[in-house]
Amino acid sequence: EVQLVESGGGLVQPGRSLRLSCTASGFTFGDYAMSWVRQAPGKGLEWVGFIRSKAYGGTTEYAASVKGRFTISRDDSKSIAYLQMNSLKTEDTAVYYCTRSQDVWGQGTTVTVSS
Amino acid sequence: QSVLTQPPSVSAAPGQKVTISCSGSSSNIGNNYVSWYQQLPGTAPKLLIYDNNKRPSGIPDRFSGSKSGTSATLGITGLQTGDEADYYCGTWDSSLSAGSPWVFGGGTKLTVL
Repeated sequence: EVQLVESGGGLVQPGRSLRLSCTASGFTFGDYAMSWVRQAPGKGLEWVGFIRSKAYGGTTEYAASVKGRFTISRDDSKSIAYLQMNSLKTEDTAVYYCTRSQDVWGQGTTVTVSS
Repeated sequence: QSVLTQPPSVSAAPGQKVTISCSGSSSNIGNNYVSWYQQLPGTAPKLLIYDNNKRPSGIPDRFSGSKSGTSATLGITGLQTGDEADYYCGTWDSSLSAGSPWVFGGGTKLTVL
């Protein structure tokens, strides 16, 4: 069964950092681009960014709202994708979903940025 | 303000048919495949339609997708109360003004009366 499990969410103060993890199983992780999508409370979906597979250079793209603050990386040997979030703002409060190229989705992890 | 425009809500009776529109531009829908997602209350989104009109394994044929020019449409027939959910369209966008390479519609809440 193809599965994605996010972890690492929690309550963090503005300006601090947090790293989310997405552990994959049931497919050849290294063959796929991995994305992060977030959903603020009561709002719609917002694409955060993605990392291409190594076959496509392993490069990253980000939404303008997080560029320069968030970094996506991957460890294909462990089948894990990461979302490093720095300089967090209150508006980053959301459920963060990991997706396999927007087709398979994890259950999400909640990040709350508040003092 | 989302790059892709969807109606905020639609409603229909059980057993009826409903369509949800998604309007974009040449930088997104006009030159890329469209996907549709279903988000049941309190759950993660699930892929319903990809490449404009293809259904992943396990998605019933009551759900269909189409695209024409810079607009896409999700159709649901034989409505069931279990179809009550938020529905989102999504696609790639090549415009710098979009703010991100992948964009979602604002979402449409489906109510089955």
